[in-house]
Amino acid sequence: RKEVEQDPGPFNVPEGATVAFNCTYSNSASQSFFWYRQDCRKEPKLLMSVYSSGNEDGRFTAQLNRASQYISLLIRDSKLSDSATYLCAVPMYSGGGADGLTFGKGTHLIIQP
Amino acid sequence: DTGVSQDPRHKITKRGQNVTFRCDPISEHNRLYWYRQTLGQGPEFLTYFQNEAQLEKSRLLSDRFSAERPKGSFSTLEIQRTEQGDSAMYLCASSGGGGNYGYTFGSGTRLTVV
Repeated sequence: RKEVEQDPGPFNVPEGATVAFNCTYSNSASQSFFWYRQDCRKEPKLLMSVYSSGNEDGRFTAQLNRASQYISLLIRDSKLSDSATYLCAVPMYSGGGADGLTFGKGTHLIIQP
Repeated sequence: DTGVSQDPRHKITKRGQNVTFRCDPISEHNRLYWYRQTLGQGPEFLTYFQNEAQLEKSRLLSDRFSAERPKGSFSTLEIQRTEQGDSAMYLCASSGGGGNYGYTFGSGTRLTVV
């Protein structure tokens, strides 16, 4: 299995819909997981951190499944402004990622009016 | 400005030239990371510093690459004898320690080698 794997998409979703995508990881010792949002030709920006089973922030929910080694990101009531690439990041080694993060290639999301 | 600053934003250089990039992290962050990103890929880890100590280097960081953080504050990334394959976005990020809060990235330096 690749270290961090994401479906590159694109996911074309109508405005207002709910969309979810997954990220699988190989490092079973990882303790923290991160979702970043990256707009075209911009830097990644931290969207959510996941330390236990999951995290919720407004319309965004991140879930962690340790047994199957994947994390998911759910976006409810999607907005046009949610169009971006969503990057999953996992610590290179054990723990929280202080020694470096491994990023997936990202999932490209397009919200259509 | 309390974010991570990178300079320059863009750099076009001829193959074989040397280039140097600078990163100023968030002042209270003791960890600083360099990543490289090419089109359609996620950021790839290059190296990181805890204070002034360089603790990890990726195999991607060939002998032509060197990074420093002399006083534990700003960092520089130098690429010697640039090649066309070095064309990429070079991203710097900083973290306050532990890494449990994710990284804050700078806007990056886009390098084009012609």
